[in-house]
Amino acid sequence: GEDVEQSLFLSVREGDSSVINCTYTDSSSTYLYWYKQEPGAGLQLLTYIFSNMDMKQDQRLTVLLNKKDKHLSLRIADTQTGDSAIYFCAETGPYNQGGKLIFGQGTELSVKP
Amino acid sequence: DTGVSQDPRHKITKRGQNVTFRCDPISEHNRLYWYRQTLGQGPEFLTYFQNEAQLEKSRLLSDRFSAERPKGSFSTLEIQRTEQGDSAMYLCASSLAGRDTQYFGPGTRLTVL
Repeated sequence: GEDVEQSLFLSVREGDSSVINCTYTDSSSTYLYWYKQEPGAGLQLLTYIFSNMDMKQDQRLTVLLNKKDKHLSLRIADTQTGDSAIYFCAETGPYNQGGKLIFGQGTELSVKP
Repeated sequence: DTGVSQDPRHKITKRGQNVTFRCDPISEHNRLYWYRQTLGQGPEFLTYFQNEAQLEKSRLLSDRFSAERPKGSFSTLEIQRTEQGDSAMYLCASSLAGRDTQYFGPGTRLTVL
């Protein structure tokens, strides 16, 4: 079945690293995504990783993918108060049907000064 | 601004009324998606179009919901005889077929009284 799970909350201090974790079930997913949502706003694409990659780095963001365990993580280096938001992990639907996304519940990141 | 736009941003209606939302995708994108997001949850897929053809509908999309994309550009989502359970954020996204990355609009927040 299609299911994406995330822990609901994470609290860090400004300047620390944040690691947000996600598990997914569909091994046929081609891409896995991280989106950021600020209060009352739409989703902002942060980064994505192709399923044949283990790691992708983009400035302060590092994505790690463990296909065997179906585990995805997002590391934010030097976390800032402006990073406070809800972070969603998403996978493409079964066999990439039209590219619809299956989202997790979201992890609320709180950054304390 | 060439991003995805949605109108209106907020809609308050009384139970039983009909509402219609509009989404304008990024101009060269031929795929358009609708998602629904309730409080504390991740977005859930409703339907998607490739050009003007509606290619997939979720079972979440009851008979009271209809979506169109008549000229393969903007799309409308209509909800007839609204119910309190329809209160949610309705998100639109677009992508280029073959490039699965979806870009989201700011959403329309619907409140049914």
